[in-house]
Amino acid sequence: AQKITQTQPGMFVQEKEAVTLDCTYDTSDQSYGLFWYKQPSSGEMIFLIYQGSYDEQNATEGRYSLNFQKARKSANLVISASQLGDSAMYFCAMREGLIQAGTALIFGKGTTLSVSS
Amino acid sequence: DADVTQTPRNRITKTGKRIMLECSQTKGHDRMYWYRQDPGLGLRLIYYSFDVKDINKGEISDGYSVSRQAQAKFSLSLESAIPNQTALYFCATGEGPQETQYFGPGTRLLVL
Repeated sequence: AQKITQTQPGMFVQEKEAVTLDCTYDTSDQSYGLFWYKQPSSGEMIFLIYQGSYDEQNATEGRYSLNFQKARKSANLVISASQLGDSAMYFCAMREGLIQAGTALIFGKGTTLSVSS
Repeated sequence: DADVTQTPRNRITKTGKRIMLECSQTKGHDRMYWYRQDPGLGLRLIYYSFDVKDINKGEISDGYSVSRQAQAKFSLSLESAIPNQTALYFCATGEGPQETQYFGPGTRLLVL
């Protein structure tokens, strides 16, 4: 079974609208971390936002927020007031367990976001 | 200057050739990673290193080897390149309780 599932291959939104990118995860660990990265067409991977499994509040970073629903194992990224520069591929990723356990990030397959004017 | 650099940025090679991809970082992080990205498959972990003396295989290590020459340097080698190793390769560093990873710009490798 996939550890990280991103069910939306592509999303389309107009400027200034809000958009939600879906991510569900699968883990039996109590301690884990969830990340979102942005990959523009130039190819680099840009860290956007992090949510820890024990964090009670949803993470926010500027126009990005993470809608964390632990019981449903979902970690959706919400981008408010979309901009043309938000057009990119977005990846959800998870770190399972404690760092000392020796794990790296597990990535989903990504969602392409296209923002139009 | 970029915190995580990769050289070369683009490389074309032939089947059977040995090739090395290099990664350097100035972030002072102990943990370093190599991933490959293929269209539609996201990023998959090749190798990772938690310090200079620690090297671990990832999900897809076959056909690859690594060397951690120093805290700041982590190289990925393809001993005998094959066409299905054509991909975008990323080096990343990680640190802290969150293990947020910071990526280099990537190396586009084409194996003919």
